Amino acid sequence: DGGITQSPKYLFRKEGQNVTLSCEQNLNHDAMYWYRQDPGQGLRLIYYSQIVNDFQKGDIAEGYSVSREKKESFPLTVTSAQKNPTAFYLCASTTTGRYGYTFGSGTRLTVV
Amino acid sequence: EDKVVQSPLSLVVHEGDTVTLNCSYEVTNFRSLLWYKQEKKAPTFLFMLTSSGIEKKSGRLSSILDKKELFSILNITATQTGDSAIYLCAVEDLWNSGNTPLVFGKGTRLSVIA
Repeated sequence: DGGITQSPKYLFRKEGQNVTLSCEQNLNHDAMYWYRQDPGQGLRLIYYSQIVNDFQKGDIAEGYSVSREKKESFPLTVTSAQKNPTAFYLCASTTTGRYGYTFGSGTRLTVV
Repeated sequence: EDKVVQSPLSLVVHEGDTVTLNCSYEVTNFRSLLWYKQEKKAPTFLFMLTSSGIEKKSGRLSSILDKKELFSILNITATQTGDSAIYLCAVEDLWNSGNTPLVFGKGTRLSVIA
């Protein structure tokens, strides 16, 4: 079955460490997105990519980095520059002519 | 400023009640408005609205869009405890070509108690 896989589901990080969240899709979707969700904040856009080897910053890109070397993959790195990284991270994808997203099941990151 | 505003942010009702969730938006080139339900992890799709005045229904849930007044409502009748979730409203703003990111509201957390 086609879908989006995010891993890991839970991640613990020590302060000062970089961590990378994985997002893989086998839907042949062109566009992929990373959102962050905090309690009471809805989904806020971190980065998105509409085609391979190209990506754009969202509203809260500071302290994050991404790459899009393959159509199927859009990993997110949370760097030590992100001051408050504890949150739930959602990856999504879509393609031209399709309304709405397919979401992954999310990664919950906790800084300890 | 927020482009998509949902109200209320939180709501507690008893089983059997009817609830109305609101979503107002402000975008330049509206394409669509979507409602999602989020229980634990990934949001699940409920409705996609593009035209004013046409009600979408799915069981006890229904939604309608008013493009003149720039808002949408999501109704849930005869609520059940399984309706407890965060309901997210999102709008697609076609400010450029391609797959423009959805803009989400903060969500309404609905709690249905027995």
